[in-house]
Amino acid sequence: EPEVTQTPSHQVTQMGQEVILRCVPISNHLYFYWYRQILGQKVEFLVSFYNNEISEKSEIFDDQFSVERPDGSNFTLKIRSTKLEDSAMYFCASSGSLSFAFFGQGTRLTVV
Amino acid sequence: EDQVTQSPEALRLQEGESSSLNCSYTVSGLRGLFWYRQDPGKGPEFLFTLYSAGEEKEKERLKATLTKKESFLHITAPKPEDSATYLCAVQARGSAAGNKLTFGGGTRVLVKP
Repeated sequence: EPEVTQTPSHQVTQMGQEVILRCVPISNHLYFYWYRQILGQKVEFLVSFYNNEISEKSEIFDDQFSVERPDGSNFTLKIRSTKLEDSAMYFCASSGSLSFAFFGQGTRLTVV
Repeated sequence: EDQVTQSPEALRLQEGESSSLNCSYTVSGLRGLFWYRQDPGKGPEFLFTLYSAGEEKEKERLKATLTKKESFLHITAPKPEDSATYLCAVQARGSAAGNKLTFGGGTRVLVKP
């Protein structure tokens, strides 16, 4: 069964450092997303990506965040200068159409 | 702004004890309502999509229904393996390509043997 793959599963970083979270979406999907879930809170939308550009982003997705699809298979989320409040589970998702999305298993980001 | 509220926050069931989870929503034109299952430390796993009021979907012991204001997830004769957090999410019609999902806070279900 096709799946969305995320690496690493857990990342610990120092405050102020840059991190890159990586995702391999399902191969024939066209829409890509990043969501995050702070411990004990709701899953929150960050950004959607279609046709090699951002199609929608939330207020959370400020200038510290960027996304890229560097090589046609990977989809990355970069946080330039991490803050303590960026600690969360980050989920990548992809969909083949404007319907349900498949989610990856997540990257747990811990900022210390 | 789209909003999703799920109740109850937590539900403890005995094996075989059927129950229902509620998802109330407000959205500026519903494209779809989605149910996901989430196990601890894992990503959401897709269960159902509902598109219009009156629609029902079933999968094993789970049945999802939709009205114009809410959705229910009915769990019939649950087993311990049905223990998980069940998430409801809505997708609005008519916005930019790649519509986001707006999630509720989830219902944590624990089924005891």
